Amino acid sequence: AQSVTQPDIHITVSEGASLELRCNYSYGATPYLFWYVQSPGQGLQLLLKYFSGDTLVQGIKGFEAEFKRSQSSFNLRKPSVHWSDAAEYFCAVGAIGGNKLVFGAGTILRVKS
Amino acid sequence: DAGVIQSPRHEVTEMGQEVTLRCKLISGHNSLFWYRQTMMRGLELLIYFNNNVPIDDSGMPEDRFSAKMPNASFSTLKIQPSEPRDSAVYFCASSVDYSYNEQFFGPGTRLTVL
Repeated sequence: AQSVTQPDIHITVSEGASLELRCNYSYGATPYLFWYVQSPGQGLQLLLKYFSGDTLVQGIKGFEAEFKRSQSSFNLRKPSVHWSDAAEYFCAVGAIGGNKLVFGAGTILRVKS
Repeated sequence: DAGVIQSPRHEVTEMGQEVTLRCKLISGHNSLFWYRQTMMRGLELLIYFNNNVPIDDSGMPEDRFSAKMPNASFSTLKIQPSEPRDSAVYFCASSVDYSYNEQFFGPGTRLTVL
């Protein structure tokens, strides 16, 4: 069965600084990988996804993520953080041929001005 | 497209009462997922359906919880009787294709059981 680890519960970055949120997964084959964002009081919104092909994927709101098979990682990055990026971010993994997602515990991003 | 619709958005009830949460899938989607989110346990999958059939209900915490899909576009999650520890935000999500996993979430129902 697949699993996801997000090592950082909270991260604080200054507005304009770069951001990297870590995600490690466990799965026996190439998984489907996702990053979702949840703003306070809202549902989860898909930022980006990886199914196959180019290991660097671009998403909405200027986010990107890189799939590294050797490290079983799918870290989320943004070159310059905006105050509106403050939210909780979830990494998720899905098995090929299935439709069940396993979510990580989430990372809360705080942006200081 | 209106997205996944959930109702009510907020529900406050007393312990022992029956609670019914509702979800309308995005048109054309054939998989439906119910999640519960709490501070202590994070986001938990309760149950999911594919083509109206429950596929995995291993996350349903107790017999007090039940979920149905009376038709292809609508689902209910019922708690009877409700308890204070059921207080949480309940999300439903839908997806269009069995093999692509991408799920679209509703805005959630915040349930408070007093």
